[in-house]
Amino acid sequence: EAQVTQNPRYLITVTGKKLTVTCSQNMNHEYMSWYRQDPGLGLRQIYYSMNVEVTDKGDVPEGYKVSRKEKRNFPLILESPSPNQTSLYFCASSPSRGTNTGELFFGEGSRLTVL
Amino acid sequence: DAKTTQPNSMESNEEEPVHLPCNHSTISGTDYIHWYRQLPSQGPEYVIHGLTSNVNNRMASLAIAEDRKSSTLILHRATLRDAAVYYCILRGTWETSGSRLTFGEGTQLTVNP
Repeated sequence: EAQVTQNPRYLITVTGKKLTVTCSQNMNHEYMSWYRQDPGLGLRQIYYSMNVEVTDKGDVPEGYKVSRKEKRNFPLILESPSPNQTSLYFCASSPSRGTNTGELFFGEGSRLTVL
Repeated sequence: DAKTTQPNSMESNEEEPVHLPCNHSTISGTDYIHWYRQLPSQGPEYVIHGLTSNVNNRMASLAIAEDRKSSTLILHRATLRDAAVYYCILRGTWETSGSRLTFGEGTQLTVNP
């Protein structure tokens, strides 16, 4: 089954304790992206990756890092989480250039609480 | 990035058609119009997309104005399972802005039994 898998789905942590949210897709998509969703603010893009070893900032990259060492994985790293990073996070992937469909496939979401 | 404007909320009755509007007056010639929806406690899911012509698929229809400054997502017979937040977004080609996607707050659709 084609899917985007995120882990963990739920996490409560404390300020300053480094954490990683993993994202994996099995559709051989080159494009992957991270979003955060907050009440009243919709979905905001954090980082995206056009291909292996190619990443770029989205609209709200502060406090986050990403890496893309393999095509299927795109982890989101919070080096020193703060309470304002409490949010619902979504990973998404998409077919790359060469197709005009560009349909985004989203994971189920990871709810992060930073105390 | 080109911006879209949608009503915050809409209401419909079950088995009636629903027309969800979206304004995108600053759309560029290479922007595709995409619609996604987000069911409670789930990630967004793709609904439909189009460039200039009206489009139909098993989920919905997309009507695009001739000047492309607005579009309408049409659910032909709303069901309770269609209650969700619907997002209209613009996606350029990969060579332009296809990689940066901004979702607004979308339209919360309520379907009454």
